Parts: sequence; structure tokens; C-alpha cells
Amino acid sequence: SQQGEEDPQALSIQEGENATMNCSYKTSINNLQWYRQNSGRGLVHLILIRSNEREKHSGRLRVTLDTSKKSSSLLITASRAADTASYFCATDAGRTGGFKTIFGAGTRLFVKA
Amino acid sequence: GAVVSQHPSRVICKSGTSVKIECRSLDFQATTMFWYRQFPKKSLMLMATSNEGSKATYEQGVEKDKFLINHASLTLSTLTVTSAHPEDSSFYICSARDGRLAQYNEQFFGPGTRLTVL
Repeated sequence: SQQGEEDPQALSIQEGENATMNCSYKTSINNLQWYRQNSGRGLVHLILIRSNEREKHSGRLRVTLDTSKKSSSLLITASRAADTASYFCATDAGRTGGFKTIFGAGTRLFVKA
Repeated sequence: GAVVSQHPSRVICKSGTSVKIECRSLDFQATTMFWYRQFPKKSLMLMATSNEGSKATYEQGVEKDKFLINHASLTLSTLTVTSAHPEDSSFYICSARDGRLAQYNEQFFGPGTRLTVL
């Protein structure tokens, strides 16, 4: 299968709570990216973390990367109703992988107001 | 920032017809473009990789005669769904990168094209 796995597949939380999504992948990577997609719309790039980085922050987003476990997590703090969307991790294997970007299965986040 | 457009954004066609989807990089030269398809409530599945001036490389299970990809210039790639069937109905998304500049393989995604085959 192309895809890595993400868990949970779906997550429902109250506004103000934190949301954590996890992603596991199968091959060595050059970098890992997280994207958001609102229903029926295009992708919004959130954050890129390189293989030699362990943690990265951007506003209310915190991403971690553990290459030994081939896993990453995305934390959204103080969630808002507008954060309701699907979130995908995407891995890039670099030149050795043909620069392909492979997406995880995604987590559907629902933030209740 | 780099912008990728897709045209059309939505298309409805009859079974048996062919549909062409365009992917353009508006302010950079795309040495490589990727085509994905996405079924409802599912993730993006990579269909093929196209390098400018070369034949596309298709992922396993993707019929190259069914999904014709042309990348004739550094700003345009097209995906033609030939003899479309209802099961080809999907959301098709392209992405583009400039291999000469992308230090970390940044790709820029188009907004997607929703294909409905009746």
C-alpha cells in the first residue's frame, strides 16, 4: 500500500481542547509534511519538518518527528471550530524515492463549538 | 508564493467520453508534476509522476492507457481520462515542483478538479 497510517481516523473534541493526530510511515524519508483539507476542497500546507529535525512549531501547531519509530504527531492547541477538517501527513523520500510525496490515510477532526 | 492552477474545477461528462484536466504552474517552472486522485472521505493516492519532456511514470495499478498524461512544457501538464466510466468519478489533484530550486522538495498543490461521470 502507498499509504502510511494515521490515527485516530476520526476525532471529535470540544472547542478549546487540544487535538493530537499521529502518523506512521514505512520508508526512509527526506521530510514529512502536514496538510489540512476542508471538505471537497484543495490542500492547505501546514508545516514541513525535515528528517534531521525532531520538533517544529507554527502558531498553534506543534509537530514532532521520530525517525527511529517512523512516526510523527501533529498537535493543535486551543482548537477552534474552524479547525474542523481532514488532516494528512505526507512523506517525501527525496531523490532516492523519486521525489514522490505519499499521503497518510488522514484524520478527520471535528471541533464542536 | 508559488501558485498552481487546475482547469476545470468541476466537470460532468457522459460515460464513454474523454475528459482533459489541465495543471499549470503560474509563477514558476515545474520540472516535475504529480497527479493524485482522491475518493470521498479517503486520502490522496499518487497516480503518476511526470517530468517535463519525458513519459510519465505510473504507480502500480494505474492504467496508463486510461489516464494519459502529457507534460510538454515547464508550466503545463494535462491528464486525460479516456473513455470515462462512473467509477472514474473522483477528485483529481495535481502538484508541481521545480527540481532545480526545491531544496526540501517543496511541492505546490493545485485546487483540484472534481470529475463526475454519469
